[in-house]
Amino acid sequence: DAGITQSPRHKVTETGTPVTLRCHQTENHRYMYWYRQDPGHGLRLIHYSYGVKDTDKGEVSDGYSVSRSKTEDFLLTLESATSSQTSVYFCAAKGGGSSNEKLFFGSGTQLSVL
Amino acid sequence: AQSVTQLGSHVSVSEGALVLLRCNYSSSVPPYLFWYVQYPNQGLQLLLKYTSAATLVKGINGFEAEFKKSETSFHLTKPSAHMSDAAEYFCAVSVGGTSYGKLTFGQGTILTVHP
Repeated sequence: DAGITQSPRHKVTETGTPVTLRCHQTENHRYMYWYRQDPGHGLRLIHYSYGVKDTDKGEVSDGYSVSRSKTEDFLLTLESATSSQTSVYFCAAKGGGSSNEKLFFGSGTQLSVL
Repeated sequence: AQSVTQLGSHVSVSEGALVLLRCNYSSSVPPYLFWYVQYPNQGLQLLLKYTSAATLVKGINGFEAEFKKSETSFHLTKPSAHMSDAAEYFCAVSVGGTSYGKLTFGQGTILTVHP
């Protein structure tokens, strides 16, 4: 996992509650990403960060927000969870901005919204 | 915008048989192409990548892929499947410029290997 830790690993919550997922990395990677994985859809980008306090939206950003106050931490928040946000969430990171560099992935967070 | 299509959500082979996982991409600019593998309850790991240096790319665990611009394809192959190859495989595309290295993934192909 190249020093990428996601917490929690599993979470069950109720519709309408706020949820925050945490991604912590120890390799001083500049670029960080949040993806969600759903059957038949592969991985889809939610938000990404290209530096501390620099973030932008991905293709499925509605209902999600992110924050990055330190290089090592990238938080994903579901302001009011819905059942459609039940998914496996992956954090990824890399050091440089070159598009041919590989991503390092965390082990994922399984989120169930009831 | 770029996109990736993986043909076949499930592929089943016998141990020792050829593995062929198909990937087609769409991109208006020269792409970078990747194959990642995901074992159960784990994150994704890079198998190999194409970055325009050579059209035939060799990766880990005996896998290779060939970039064919005329066919917009980047199929993954392995001559002889092993039980440990059972996993889900993702093809992904990225482009240069100011994309910040964002990857667009295909839908994934689950590979099953039978004894």
